[in-house]
Amino acid sequence: KQEVTQIPAALSVPEGENLVLNCSFTDSAIYNLQWFRQDPGKGLTSLLLIQSSQREQTSGRLNASLDKSSGRSTLYIAASQPGDSATYLCAANTNAGKSTFGDGTTLTVKP
Amino acid sequence: SQTIHQWPATLVQPVGSPLSLECTVEGTSNPNLYWYRQAAGRGLQLLFYSVGIGQISSEVPQNLSASRPQDRQFILSSKKLLLSDSGFYLCAWSTDGNSPLHFGNGTRLTVT
Repeated sequence: KQEVTQIPAALSVPEGENLVLNCSFTDSAIYNLQWFRQDPGKGLTSLLLIQSSQREQTSGRLNASLDKSSGRSTLYIAASQPGDSATYLCAANTNAGKSTFGDGTTLTVKP
Repeated sequence: SQTIHQWPATLVQPVGSPLSLECTVEGTSNPNLYWYRQAAGRGLQLLFYSVGIGQISSEVPQNLSASRPQDRQFILSSKKLLLSDSGFYLCAWSTDGNSPLHFGNGTRLTVT
């Protein structure tokens, strides 16, 4: 059974700092890994998806990497802004669309 | 472009009452459809998924059921709600099993 862990559970940084969010998964036989952002009381917004054959994906200030062999993915946020404050979740797609989610990292960026 | 609609946004229901949450997707055909539940401060748990009309797979035994009466419509139901059914329910779709998941805005259900 796939298990996904996100560390830390919460992170507070000053504006402008670069930061890394971590995601680890126990079953390396994944189709892909997807990162999401969730604002309080809202649904999930897809940020990046990395296919199993890829090593990383980039979108603006965001860069996600994937190391299947070690069961790890990271989400790098450059030059953080207060608007980046949200909960970030990763999801490992192990079985044709049935994804296992981590509990998320709640990020606070202080002005 | 594709959009997903989920309603209602919030719902307060007494224990023992029925439930019907609806989700529709526009701008795509034959999507995979999913119902997830999120407990407070936690990740998402997959409840049901569907790859086509009338095809429903249940991931966890529970008091809920799902139906897909039309290609782009997914309904979550219960005949009698329990207190433990309270939570944040999210509908999602994907093109296929290897494509990104796209979520609706969710329904906050409180069972009293």
